[in-house]
This record gives sequence, structure tokens and C-alpha cells, in this order.
Amino acid sequence: DVKVTQSSRYLVKRTGEKVFLECVQDMDHENMFWYRQDPGLGLRLIYFSYDVKMKEKGDIPEGYSVSREKKERFSLILESASTNQTSMYLCASSFLPGETQYFGPGTRLLVL
Amino acid sequence: GQNIDQPTEMTATEGAIVQINCTYQTSGFNGLFWYQQHAGEAPTFLSYNVLDGLEEKGRFSSFLSRSKGYSYLLLKELQMKDSASYLCAPEGNTGFQKLVFGTGTRLLVSP
Repeated sequence: DVKVTQSSRYLVKRTGEKVFLECVQDMDHENMFWYRQDPGLGLRLIYFSYDVKMKEKGDIPEGYSVSREKKERFSLILESASTNQTSMYLCASSFLPGETQYFGPGTRLLVL
Repeated sequence: GQNIDQPTEMTATEGAIVQINCTYQTSGFNGLFWYQQHAGEAPTFLSYNVLDGLEEKGRFSSFLSRSKGYSYLLLKELQMKDSASYLCAPEGNTGFQKLVFGTGTRLLVSP
């Protein structure tokens, strides 16, 4: 079974803090993705990576950066957290186009 | 631009059949995924359609018409555990497997 894990289920941070969200997959997948999910807006792609050290902007990259130093690990960084980044963050991984993305359990981030 | 349209909410009774429609406009198209997401949980894969037509998988079937930009998910013999959101996600053809998700259809199954 594919397993995608995220470092925290719930996180509370203060405005201006630097926040790291970590995602690890155990299936040697090439592609990894970070989404945020907000009521009424659905899942929106922040960044994705198709190989180690490679990254591509998604639809809403502003205020975020990512790091992929190892194949199994993809980190999302909020350089200076803001209240409008309060959201559910979902990580996903996949092997090839046409194959499903497997999602982690999500991190619910609250920025005060 | 990219646009995915699904009904926001649907209700049905246990044992019934429900059809969840999705229309999409995307720049480039490879295929279309359907995911199920229970409240507070991660989305899980239901189906993937590349070719036109109906694909059946147990109680769930998915249909695709590429020329019309239209898909539907058909759920038969509804059970209470089918109460969830259903996400339509067309896949672009950039080679990077970039999915665009609709806002999802929340299905409530009542006894």
C-alpha cells in the first residue's frame, strides 16, 4: 500500500512565523504535489515537483516555496505566515501521468 | 482558461442511484479522475477515464465524453457510507500530471 505521511495533522502558528510542512512518500514516486483546500474553492495546486531538486509553480504559489532534496520528501515552506494562509494543506504523490495521485492525511494550519 | 463545473450539493436515499455531473474546459486534456473525500479526510481515488464511454467498477461507474467536455459519476445501491464529497479532476497533457480539481459535490445519503 502506498503511504503518504505529513508531519503534523494540526498546526497553530503566529503571523510572521516561518512554517515548514513536510511530506514523505514510501513508493518511490517521481511526482509530488502540494495543495491547499478551502471551503467553496476546492483543491488548488501550490507547487509540484517531478524530480529531485526540480519544482514547478502551480496555480497559487505566492507566499510559498518548496524544497525537494530527496525523492521521498517534499517540503512546503511559508516564509512569513499570514492569516490568509490558514487552510488545509494536502500533499500528494504519483508515479506517472495517468496514474492516480495518493494523498496524505492533510495538515490543518491555523495562523493567528 | 480552466473551468470545472459540478453541482455543489446533492441528496439521495439509501439504495437509490445518483449521477454526479461534471463539465470541464481545460487547456489540454489527457483524462479525467474522480476522487471521493469524506469529511476531514484525504481524497481517495475512484476512477480514471481516458476514452469516451462508460467504465464500470462495482457500484460506481464513470462516463466520459471528450468532445463535449463532460463526465459523470454514477453511484448505485447507495449506502450511508457514500455520504462524502466527490471531486472531478481533469488531467492536462503537459506531461507533469497537473490536475485541476472542481470544488466537489457533497452527497448526503439519508436512510
